[in-house]
Amino acid sequence: DAGVIQSPRHEVTEMGQEVTLRCKPISGHNSLFWYRQTMMRGLELLIYFNNNVPIDDSGMPEDRFSAKMPNASFSTLKIQPSEPRDSAVYFCASSLEDRRNQPQHFGDGTRLSIL
Amino acid sequence: DAKTTQPTSMDCAEGRAANLPCNHSTISGNEYVYWYRQIHSQGPQYIIHGLKNNETNEMASLIITEDRKSSTLILPHATLRDTAVYYCIVRVHRGSQGNLIFGKGTKLSVKP
Repeated sequence: DAGVIQSPRHEVTEMGQEVTLRCKPISGHNSLFWYRQTMMRGLELLIYFNNNVPIDDSGMPEDRFSAKMPNASFSTLKIQPSEPRDSAVYFCASSLEDRRNQPQHFGDGTRLSIL
Repeated sequence: DAKTTQPTSMDCAEGRAANLPCNHSTISGNEYVYWYRQIHSQGPQYIIHGLKNNETNEMASLIITEDRKSSTLILPHATLRDTAVYYCIVRVHRGSQGNLIFGKGTKLSVKP
């Protein structure tokens, strides 16, 4: 079965540019999560969707960050304008929220470098 | 802040059992214990989870103490490919409160 698919795997861009990260969750999953990982702060949750609706965006660092989930099979995380401190690995995860307490499954991440 | 405490690092000989401890003394009655691992340059991988009973799957076993204040993840026959950072996480069943909060984990090094 296909897992969570993220693109691109690597992104290098100059500061000030817009960056768009993409995620395709596992088919049938109804929850989607965006995380960011840095050496200093470890893995942090940015935003969480359930049934395509943002439920908790308290982890989004600032207004330069936005996330959308237009349908059950696609989500984007956008940074505009990007800054060097946004450099990190960004992970997307999905799960099936039901009574059986299903685990989250992660993609392989997008390694973002802002110069 | 993470609700768990794990050793920073551990070594294990290839072929031997790896026992990774985790303390979660403030765990609530409705919180599950989850274990994930992250191999270098990959996303976190789900291993196992449990509430109060011991659990076993094809990857590992999870032993939870009767008072639920600590647990141990057991990899019965560690291989070099099990070298990774292992995260112990407690979370409630669902909703935004159920989001994973990763601590620093235990870096397990399996040596030949």
